[in-house]
Amino acid sequence: DQQVKQNSPSLSVQEGRISILNCDYTNSMFDYFLWYKKYPAEGPTFLISISSIKDKNEDGRFTVFLNKSAKHLSLHIVPSQPGDSAVYFCAVSGFREGGKLIFGQGTELSVKP
Amino acid sequence: DAGVIQSPRHEVTEMGQEVTLRCKPISGHDYLFWYRQTMMRGLELLIYFNNNVPIDDSGMPEDRFSAKMPNASFSTLKIQPSEPRDSAVYFCASSLNRGRETQYFGPGTRLLVL
Repeated sequence: DQQVKQNSPSLSVQEGRISILNCDYTNSMFDYFLWYKKYPAEGPTFLISISSIKDKNEDGRFTVFLNKSAKHLSLHIVPSQPGDSAVYFCAVSGFREGGKLIFGQGTELSVKP
Repeated sequence: DAGVIQSPRHEVTEMGQEVTLRCKPISGHDYLFWYRQTMMRGLELLIYFNNNVPIDDSGMPEDRFSAKMPNASFSTLKIQPSEPRDSAVYFCASSLNRGRETQYFGPGTRLLVL
């Protein structure tokens, strides 16, 4: 059973508009949440993270929101740019997971000029 | 630093053959992770090492898979015998500390088993 779910395999957005990527998790004990970005033929790269003591973290055009009661995580990209086109993975971690990150299946974002 | 280095970048082999994937982590990183990416299951953690010692191999699919880390700068993931369902992209990642630290991924090895 998947502990981390990204229910949208793909998302298409117009350049300049907002991109919203969503992620749901099942275990309330998870306390650290990350987003990774992956371009074709490259490994994933870290984008932004948030701990469970916060509900929002912002870094430039990227903002991550955490709704602990709903066990829901989202990534907002504003404004979206064609260079943001990539696969985005959410990942979660908790004390019981030790050094592990548990990844979602990924959402492929396409930003059209 | 060159980042995490993986070889080969691409591997095509026939069912039943042995496959060895290689990884050089970033110098000074204490943790090394092996992942597999498939369309169906996304990014799955197979095994991870701390200071060259395997900590959790619960993600290794079956006995055909084995991983070693003989020293701090080298790790291998071996599949013997390989099967078509092993076709995937295999990533190696390293980090300084536990999950709270950023994991740095290599470019991956794309494996195709015919």
